[in-house]
Amino acid sequence: QSALTQPPSASGSPGQSVTISCTGTSSDVGAYNYVSWYQQHPGKAPKLIIYEVYKRPSGVPDRFSGSKSGNTASLTVSGLKADDEADYYCSSHAASGVFGGGTKLTVL
Amino acid sequence: EVQLVESGGGLVQPGGSLRLSCAASGFSFKNSWMNWIRQAPGKGLEWVASMNPDGSEKYDVDSVRGRFTISRDNAENSLYLQMNSLRAEDTAIYYCARDHAYSSYDVWGQGTMVTVS
Repeated sequence: QSALTQPPSASGSPGQSVTISCTGTSSDVGAYNYVSWYQQHPGKAPKLIIYEVYKRPSGVPDRFSGSKSGNTASLTVSGLKADDEADYYCSSHAASGVFGGGTKLTVL
Repeated sequence: EVQLVESGGGLVQPGGSLRLSCAASGFSFKNSWMNWIRQAPGKGLEWVASMNPDGSEKYDVDSVRGRFTISRDNAENSLYLQMNSLRAEDTAIYYCARDHAYSSYDVWGQGTMVTVS
């Protein structure tokens, strides 16, 4: 059960778009359309923002979008806002859940 | 309001035991897959264990197998994690989380801190 690979950091200016990648294997990300993304602000519990690769839970703005190609999933945050500054984690269904190492998004 | 509230964390010596609890409200607990997920200080998320709605199936990560046991009481809307033979590397915030579908977790508790030292 190896962790998925995410870049440790990403950044963008307000109003810009940023994309965070999540690379797994043919046994997890590549095998299922069950990739999810979480946003975590400091000292808070994670929040589900994308599930099943591209679906958004109720209340999550459409500035957050997800996609997948092969063994790599991506989260794009468009129209960056100051409050988007947080840690982002991907997760994939495999034999059991596996998470990425997390990406710290900085809004410049 | 859909809510999960964890309790039972604390400071314990290596080799000791703790039992975490998670009280669910505002949704059909008896129909939900439930999970424990942990986060070591300054580190990422790690899935620990999961259990199906009726308690007949459970899964856990290799690093806790044989030491941690997940269980539930649907009559009490509660999820538990019995942790034995605790190690320093088990130090983390432990979150209870509902499985939305196929390892996407849509409801999280506030977490309970476990320190092994």
